[in-house]
Amino acid sequence: AQSVAQPEDQVNVAEGNPLTVKCTYSVSGNPYLFWYVQYPNRGLQFLLKYITGDNLVKGSYGFEAEFNKSQTSFHLKKPSALVSDSALYFCAVIPQGGYQKVTFGIGTKLQVIP
Amino acid sequence: NAGVTQTPKFQVLKTGQSMTLQCAQDMNHEYMSWYRQDPGMGLRLIHYSVGAGITDQGEVPNGYNVSRSTTEDFPLRLLSAAPSQTSVYFCASRQEGNTDTQYFGPGTRLTVL
Repeated sequence: AQSVAQPEDQVNVAEGNPLTVKCTYSVSGNPYLFWYVQYPNRGLQFLLKYITGDNLVKGSYGFEAEFNKSQTSFHLKKPSALVSDSALYFCAVIPQGGYQKVTFGIGTKLQVIP
Repeated sequence: NAGVTQTPKFQVLKTGQSMTLQCAQDMNHEYMSWYRQDPGMGLRLIHYSVGAGITDQGEVPNGYNVSRSTTEDFPLRLLSAAPSQTSVYFCASRQEGNTDTQYFGPGTRLTVL
């Protein structure tokens, strides 16, 4: 069975410092990987995705993620955190079998401290 | 474009009551889905549709019904609400491909007493 792990419930980082939100996955075959962000009382918003090709993916709001096949990881990163980045972040994996098999992680709360 | 809209934003039901959560999208997307979000569990797929007249079950379909009579609308029906269905419900839509981005509605927060 496929799975997605976000090992940290919460990540605290000082404004201006680099941030990393971790995601590891387990799936058969080559997955499609997504990161979404959720602000309070809002729906999820797409940040970035890895389908194939370059392992470093750049997305919205200055975020990027690195796909590491050997470590089955897809960590979300940003060089310099903003207070406005404080939100809940979800990693999702879709097997090549399709969206009906999508699995979301439990989410990581990012708190950027002024 | 309004994107994906959901109504109501909040709802309180008593056990055994029925209700319909509405979802509409104006992006002409073929695929629509319903998820529930529970603390510590991420999002779980309830039902999905690949086009008008076609629906299928996701990971947690029990207690919910869906229909898709038009491309735009994808309502979720709770036939007899239970406290276990207390959750935040999100509707999402996307184009056809498996790599396409999903667009989520703002959610409906449902409490079943």
